[in-house]
Amino acid sequence: EDQVTQSPEALRLQEGESSSLNCSYTVSGLRGLFWYRQDPGKGPEFLFTLYSAGEEKEKERLKATLTKKESFLHITAPKPEDSATYLCAVQASTDKLIFGTGTRLQVFP
Amino acid sequence: ETGVTQTPRHLVMGMTNKKSLKCEQHLGHNAMYWYKQSAKKPLELMFVYSLEERVENNSVPSRFSPECPNSSHLFLHLHTLQPEDSALYLCASSPLGGSGYEQYFGPGTRLTVT
Repeated sequence: EDQVTQSPEALRLQEGESSSLNCSYTVSGLRGLFWYRQDPGKGPEFLFTLYSAGEEKEKERLKATLTKKESFLHITAPKPEDSATYLCAVQASTDKLIFGTGTRLQVFP
Repeated sequence: ETGVTQTPRHLVMGMTNKKSLKCEQHLGHNAMYWYKQSAKKPLELMFVYSLEERVENNSVPSRFSPECPNSSHLFLHLHTLQPEDSALYLCASSPLGGSGYEQYFGPGTRLTVT
């Protein structure tokens, strides 16, 4: 069965303290892995798509990487405005998006 | 208006009411989706429309009825809901249905069933 597991469930960081979020997946035939950011009371905001192992993408303080079993979202020198829930989703051979439960990130000044 | 919009943003309804959620996308996309988001659970895909045809119905109870009159509009008609249906309902769109296309989400409708 296709599955996505995100860890940790919650992460508290001091401003400037870099860290990584993990997304582990087991799917048959990965078509794409997607990262989203969701603020309270809002819909998910698209961040990155990764298609194959070894691929990396960057946007400001965020960098997403992909291996055959997991993806990492690295946050370098985070700021309080980076506080949000980060969602990972995979698209398998069935074309459906399968979401993880997310990592709730809090960055304190 | 830009992106994906949803109305209403908040809805409180009794178990015997009938209401509809509306979604509109201004991105020129051809696929639209309804998701349910409950606390501590992953987003659950409910319905997928591609080129105005329903291509996915994820074993959703019949008290939820989708409608896609054109590629820009999507509705979710609600009737005789249960308290466990209280959740955030999200609409999304993508350039096409199928693999590799990122989905863009609206702000959601927070539904409370009393």
